[in-house]
Amino acid sequence: DAMVIQNPRYQVTQFGKPVTLSCSQTLNHNVMYWYQQKSSQAPKLLFHYYDKDFNNEADTPDNFQSRRPNTSFCFLDIRSPGLGDAAMYLCATSRGTSGSAEQFFGPGTRLTVL
Amino acid sequence: GQNIDQPTEMTATEGAIVQINCTYQTSGFNGLFWYQQHAGEAPTFLSYNVLDGLEEKGRFSSFLSRSKGYSYLLLKELQMKDSASYLCAVVDSNYQLIWGAGTKLIIKP
Repeated sequence: DAMVIQNPRYQVTQFGKPVTLSCSQTLNHNVMYWYQQKSSQAPKLLFHYYDKDFNNEADTPDNFQSRRPNTSFCFLDIRSPGLGDAAMYLCATSRGTSGSAEQFFGPGTRLTVL
Repeated sequence: GQNIDQPTEMTATEGAIVQINCTYQTSGFNGLFWYQQHAGEAPTFLSYNVLDGLEEKGRFSSFLSRSKGYSYLLLKELQMKDSASYLCAVVDSNYQLIWGAGTKLIIKP
């Protein structure tokens, strides 16, 4: 089945220790997104790629970086995680960015910062 | 600024009907999505409306009034598995998805 896969599902890291979250997709969608979602809050868009074009949201901290080496894979790097970065990180894909372009989500990675 | 308003939490009884409202103020409008999100899981697509009116899909229906900046999600014949958060999201003039914080729906037997 075509899908969006995120690894790991649960990630524990130490305060300040870099961590990388990964996302892969078999949908062959050209757009990939990274969201941060804290409990009972709306998903917050961090970045998105339209093919290889990187789009950074204005309020995304510099501590967050992303890479998309090819169509199928996208990575989220948190260079120095703080306690406030503990959240669910959701990867999503879509075919284009038209109004009706449904976003398909992976299962998420829950990040805990100790 | 851009704003999506939904009730924080609602409670309903199994077998009943519930309506979850969403009002929005965004820079432009290119459609409105409803997503379902079970606790600890990713959002899953329920519906998309871009024209005024009611779209029915099984037990779930979604309504849109663009002039009023208003949508609702109607869930009929509620089942325990419908306990989840329901997120309203609007596509703005830049084709960015603006998300509401979601409505937590609690179903009681």
